[in-house]
Amino acid sequence: QKEVEQNSGPLSVPEGAIASLNCTYSDRGSQSFFWYRQYSGKSPELIMFIYSNGDKEDGRFTAQLNKASQYVSLLIRDSQPSDSATYLCAVTNDYKLSFGAGTTVTVRA
Amino acid sequence: NAGVTQTPKFRILKIGQSMTLQCAQDMNHNYMYWYRQDPGMGLKLIYYSVGAGITDKGEVPNGYNVSRSTTEDFPLRLELAAPSQTSVYFCASSYSPGRDEQFFGPGTRLTVL
Repeated sequence: QKEVEQNSGPLSVPEGAIASLNCTYSDRGSQSFFWYRQYSGKSPELIMFIYSNGDKEDGRFTAQLNKASQYVSLLIRDSQPSDSATYLCAVTNDYKLSFGAGTTVTVRA
Repeated sequence: NAGVTQTPKFRILKIGQSMTLQCAQDMNHNYMYWYRQDPGMGLKLIYYSVGAGITDKGEVPNGYNVSRSTTEDFPLRLELAAPSQTSVYFCASSYSPGRDEQFFGPGTRLTVL
């Protein structure tokens, strides 16, 4: 079983819609959870982090964490063409981050 | 601040050649990391360092070596390059492990032919 698994893409959503990205992790002791955005040919950049169960909102982005189900998600509201990218879920394991393979999102005008 | 810098941006190696990928950060971060990213895949940790003089293996260390003589620099050495090492390499740093954001360099695209 992979440490971090993300829903397979690509995910295509119309402009203005909600994009929903899911991630599950295997290590029940994981403490911190991150969502990175990576544009094609660029390096990852952090968009959200969450440590506690529940929801965390930042602008058009909402991260949701359920440690009992070992599940973390990212919602992108009012999707814009500039949101077209690959989204990487990352989970802390001691000093290290374990990354999922990513979900590619395409926002169509 | 320049953040995390990496050189070179691109490199083509022949099988069996060696090279060093350079990484430097100016944020006074103790923690530094090397990842590789294969097409359509997430990042896999090669090596990491928790401070000058201290390094440890990550998930995929075979074929690589690192050193950390200063807080700022964390070079990655490839010995006897193989086609399986064709990848994009990212260096990252963070203030503390786990809780804080990792800042990534722009990456080095390496091809081994």
